Amino acid sequence: DQQVKQNSPSLSVQEGRISILNCDYTNSMFDYFLWYKKYPAEGPTFLISISSIKDKNEDGRFTVFLNKSAKHLSLHIVPSQPGDSAVYFCAASVGYGGATNKLIFGTGTLLAVQP
Amino acid sequence: DTAVSQTPKYLVTQMGNDKSIKCEQNLGHDTMYWYKQDSKKFLKIMFSYNNKELIINETVPNRFSPKSPDKAHLNLHINSLELGDSAVYFCASSQAAGELFFGEGSRLTVL
Repeated sequence: DQQVKQNSPSLSVQEGRISILNCDYTNSMFDYFLWYKKYPAEGPTFLISISSIKDKNEDGRFTVFLNKSAKHLSLHIVPSQPGDSAVYFCAASVGYGGATNKLIFGTGTLLAVQP
Repeated sequence: DTAVSQTPKYLVTQMGNDKSIKCEQNLGHDTMYWYKQDSKKFLKIMFSYNNKELIINETVPNRFSPKSPDKAHLNLHINSLELGDSAVYFCASSQAAGELFFGEGSRLTVL
């Protein structure tokens, strides 16, 4: 039972254009959503997050949008750069009384930014 | 100065053996985790410890035993290794329920 889905395994974008990565979830109890970026042979690194009480969060070139009614979130990268080429994981969280964080991950989308 | 470090990074072993993976974090976080990334690239939580206390224990075979000697360390011991245990194991830490910081991963191959 996959609660967080990234239906596009890969995405190719030209340098300077916008990259849009999508994520769908099924569990309405999720209250916190995150995007992680992963390079080969490295661990995932935190990129940006959004609380379920917001619909947008922006950090530099990265913006995350949350549509709760559609149970959908997306990550926009503008402008895309070759160094952004990596696997992007969407994750959703159910709090555990504040002591810990159970992240449920999607399967990732491989972004390739072409120079 | 790595924030979350795991050893070893690569581990090749025979079925039936017992092996351990060690994890240390120097971020001062209270909570540590083990995640498993299988061949289909799913990243799934296995365990979570908060201040040495087990908080999350997903449906993991009891051949897997985590041990947290202090809040900066969370080790994973695996008994009687099976082919299906081959995966990349990631350690992570967080300050309570904040975002997770991951180690580089330990790739386990069981032959």
